[in-house]
Amino acid sequence: GQNIDQPTEMTATEGAIVQINCTYQTSGFNGLFWYQQHAGEAPTFLSYNVLDGLEEKGRFSSFLSRSKGYSYLLLKELQMKDSASYLCAVMDSNYQLIWGAGTKLIIKP
Amino acid sequence: DAGVTQSPTHLIKTRGQQVTLRCSPKSGHDTVSWYQQALGQGPQFIFQYYEEEERQRGNFPDRFSGHQFPNYSSELNVNALLLGDSALYLCASSLPRGDGNTIYFGEGSWLTVV
Repeated sequence: GQNIDQPTEMTATEGAIVQINCTYQTSGFNGLFWYQQHAGEAPTFLSYNVLDGLEEKGRFSSFLSRSKGYSYLLLKELQMKDSASYLCAVMDSNYQLIWGAGTKLIIKP
Repeated sequence: DAGVTQSPTHLIKTRGQQVTLRCSPKSGHDTVSWYQQALGQGPQFIFQYYEEEERQRGNFPDRFSGHQFPNYSSELNVNALLLGDSALYLCASSLPRGDGNTIYFGEGSWLTVV
């Protein structure tokens, strides 16, 4: 079967750095996505990795290791508005998105 | 602005009723995928439409059906609604082999079944 695992909940302090991990087992691989979802809203695109390595985009970075079936999302200089759920999704061989359950990130002052 | 529009944004239905949700893809996109996201869970793939045909389908019962029109817009129909169908329904548009730079989501339709 296909499976995406990520922690259910994480807590971090405003101004700090947090790393959200994602491991996956899927039928094929055509890229890994990270989305941010605030409560009551649709997911919004954060990043996309298809090759191994680190992709940096402002305060957010995403890393991929295809051999390990592993990715992480790194958030720097945390702000209160970063409190949200972060969803990891993998595009499989059929170009379907397989989603994790999401990690709820709580930012404390 | 992602360019994908969904309607209605919120609706309430009674158990046993039928519902139709609509999606207009981003201009230039010809592939539409539908996802169901229950509260506290990640989205689940329902099906994908391309060239007016259902190309792929997730693990959803036949109560869930869809359609794609010649202008690439799409509908999701759910018959005999159950309480468990209450969820956010997301539409995503893309090209047939959409990569991370070409998948766009709408704002979703919130369905509550009472």
